[in-house]
Amino acid sequence: RKEVEQDPGPFNVPEGATVAFNCTYSNSASQSFFWYRQDCRKEPKLLMSVYSSGNEDGRFTAQLNRASQYISLLIRDSKLSDSATYLCVVNSFYNQGGKLIFGQGTELSVKP
Amino acid sequence: GAGVSQTPSNKVTEKGKYVELRCDPISGHTALYWYRQSLGQGPEFLIYFQGTGAADDSGLPNDRFFAVRPEGSVSTLKIQRTERGDSAVYLCASSLTSVGSYNEQFFGPGTRLTVL
Repeated sequence: RKEVEQDPGPFNVPEGATVAFNCTYSNSASQSFFWYRQDCRKEPKLLMSVYSSGNEDGRFTAQLNRASQYISLLIRDSKLSDSATYLCVVNSFYNQGGKLIFGQGTELSVKP
Repeated sequence: GAGVSQTPSNKVTEKGKYVELRCDPISGHTALYWYRQSLGQGPEFLIYFQGTGAADDSGLPNDRFFAVRPEGSVSTLKIQRTERGDSAVYLCASSLTSVGSYNEQFFGPGTRLTVL
């Protein structure tokens, strides 16, 4: 079983739609959680960190449920420019930078 | 300022050959990470350095892979006796430090390695 699991998609949605991505992680010692965005043939870039209290950045909302070991990302009012692969990422050590563990990514395609 | 740079951007080699991939981190970043990304997968951790020392090399797949960072800045990932299964994009990332609370890792554009 992979340490971080995501539905690979692809998710094909029309502009303006709301789309939700889910992710589960297996290591209960995981301490830090993130969503990264990766455009085709480009490097991953941090989209947002994920906190237990939930956090929002514009059209993007991330949630963490530690009891269920579940992370989500909600994108409202999808734009064409949101088309990318979204990577769920965990970091096992709280007070160390350390290695990131990536899910396989969920591909999103937003159509006009 | 300049981001993480990696050279070469593409490398094609033959099975059995030796390759070196270079990473130049963001100036002032003391932590440097190597990941490998195969098609359709997320990046997979290989090794990370805090300063000159390898703090965690648990992701290196076997002893054909080796990485150095002799002066605490530029790093080289070395692969001996390449195999077709080594074909992937090798990503380098750097962060201000790996000590203390999480520091964002900034990724380079990667080196696409193809082993024929």
